[in-house]
Amino acid sequence: DSGVTQTPKHLITATGQRVTLRCSPRSGDLSVYWYQQSLDQGLQFLIHYYNGEERAKGNILERFSAQQFPDLHSELNLSSLELGDSALYFCASSPLRGTAGELFFGEGSRLTVL
Amino acid sequence: KNEVEQSPQNLTAQEGEFITINCSYSVGISALHWLQQHPGGGIVSLFMLSSGKKKHGRLIATINIQEKHSSLHITASHPRDSAVYICAVANFGNEKLTFGTGTRLTIIP
Repeated sequence: DSGVTQTPKHLITATGQRVTLRCSPRSGDLSVYWYQQSLDQGLQFLIHYYNGEERAKGNILERFSAQQFPDLHSELNLSSLELGDSALYFCASSPLRGTAGELFFGEGSRLTVL
Repeated sequence: KNEVEQSPQNLTAQEGEFITINCSYSVGISALHWLQQHPGGGIVSLFMLSSGKKKHGRLIATINIQEKHSSLHITASHPRDSAVYICAVANFGNEKLTFGTGTRLTIIP
């Protein structure tokens, strides 16, 4: 158990809909990272938050947004969903601000868009 | 942009064999991560390296900064080691990780 909790574990929805994925980091970790893993693209970095502030953006679509709340949990919002958004979405937490520290991954949220 | 290459893409071995998975990258890094992903999806962080060598149980990870290369070794491999092993690099001053495409390892009893 990494200590990182992601909900929901599975989500099936239709094109055009909006979903919210939630991540609770390990106790005390200030950094939360979001990653997308699709069959054709592999793992890709989406966005990083540190102590409530956005620190870096990767290949995140404009239809996607995220935030980190004062209690340090984070949410990834995906809107106007398309078939190609079907993927595993992982969050990871770290006690450090950068990626040169150990990362602790959640079990992922599997999104299926029909 | 850092290019990360892993080899082999797929590896099948008999139980007990010594396994080596390689990772090369193109630009100097601040750290390299080895990750394990079992069927069913969860990702586990195995090692984070910035220099030298680390060992955890039957797993050993090494990195050669000058040659921009890292290896993950598994001694006395076991069917439970069957998984996808992913290398990821963290660039200097960059908070993004760049991932390799993974090595799918299958250990046959």
